[in-house]
Parts: sequence; C-alpha cells; structure tokens
Amino acid sequence: QVQLQESGPGLVKPSVTLSLTCAVSGGSISSSNWWSWVRQPPGKGLEWIGEIHHSGNTNYNPSLKSRVTISVDKSRNQFSLELTSVTAADTAVYYCAREVGASSIFDYWGQGSLVTVSS
Amino acid sequence: DIQMTQSPSSLSASVGDRVTITCRASQSIDNYLNWYQQKLGKAPKLLIHAASSLQSGVPSRFSASGSGTDFTLTISSLQPEDFATYYCQQSYSSPPTFGQGTKVEIK
Repeated sequence: QVQLQESGPGLVKPSVTLSLTCAVSGGSISSSNWWSWVRQPPGKGLEWIGEIHHSGNTNYNPSLKSRVTISVDKSRNQFSLELTSVTAADTAVYYCAREVGASSIFDYWGQGSLVTVSS
Repeated sequence: DIQMTQSPSSLSASVGDRVTITCRASQSIDNYLNWYQQKLGKAPKLLIHAASSLQSGVPSRFSASGSGTDFTLTISSLQPEDFATYYCQQSYSSPPTFGQGTKVEIK
C-alpha cells in the first residue's frame, strides 16, 4: 500500500519561499508514476500545482509556473515543492499525490499539510 | 485551461436517497473525467476514473457516466458515510482542473 506524507513549516512569512517535502513509502518513486502537488485554500476547491517524474522531468500549472519548482530525491524516495514570493493567497492545505502513470488521475494522496502565510 | 462546472454546489438528502451530481466541461474531454470524494479534514479519495470505471474498493452504489462535455455521478442509495464533498476533475489536458465541488449534506 503506497503512502505519502507531507512535511514542512506550517507558518511562513510573506515574500519568503514555501518548502514542503513528500515522503513516499510502500512503493518506489522511481516507478512509472508521476508525482504531483495539489493545493486547497481553506473552504475552497482543489488546484493542481505541478508534477514530476523520477527522471526529473516536470510540468507546472501556468498560473504558478514562474514561482514553482518541484524536485525529486530518489535516494530518499521523496519529492519536494518550493513556491517563491508567497502571499496570503498561497495559504492552503498542500497535498502530494501519486498519478496513475502519467494520466493525471490521482490515486494516492498524502494527508495534507496546512501552510499559513502570515507575518 | 478547461473549466469544470458542477451542479448543484450543495444538496441535502436523506439516507437511502438516490443522488445525482452533474459536471460539465468547457470543451470536449472525451472520457477523461474522474470523480473524488472528500470528507472534512481529509484528502480527496478517487472514486471513479475514465468517466465510469469504479476504483478498486469503492462501493457499487457509486456509478458514473458521460462523455464529451457532460458527466454525472450517481449514488444509488445514500449511506451515512457518503456525506462529503464530491469533485470532478478532467485529465484530458494539462493543467488538470477540478470542479468547484458539490457538498452532500444530511437532510
């Protein structure tokens, strides 16, 4: 059973970089799956941020592309998200998720990590 | 980006009711449509993929249909554990996008 676990600061100040890591267990990050980040502002809907393959190939949501970097650490079986120049609008629960292959069908999710942007 | 619109935004129903949720895409997405259930404070859970394929372990009271731009999710007999928010999501083109959600509440 694949499990994903997000970790990172719960509070970040405006204008800094938000960093989160997703640890994968019960499966290899070097499988054929792609790995995604999805976020959900409090009380709102879901927004896809971007995805990565173990090869290092990435795709990002154009709405966030200028501020997002997703990276992979195969030795630790984890992948990470960096979002620069954050504002209050970036306050959200951040989920990591596994895709079925490269299908953008999200079959396994982490439990989510609430990140609040506030001074 | 492809816009996904769900209706209704919320509904009240009783245990045992048949419930139908609609999702419309802003352009044709063939059958690249997935449904998720999200309970309060939890991550979304994949229910249906490819418009009508039930994910392993999902009860058979859940079914879905549609193709092109119009899709439906049906719960044949609502159970207490089904009270949640349901999201549709298109996987036809990048970026994948979600509907705004339909909250199913207890009547």
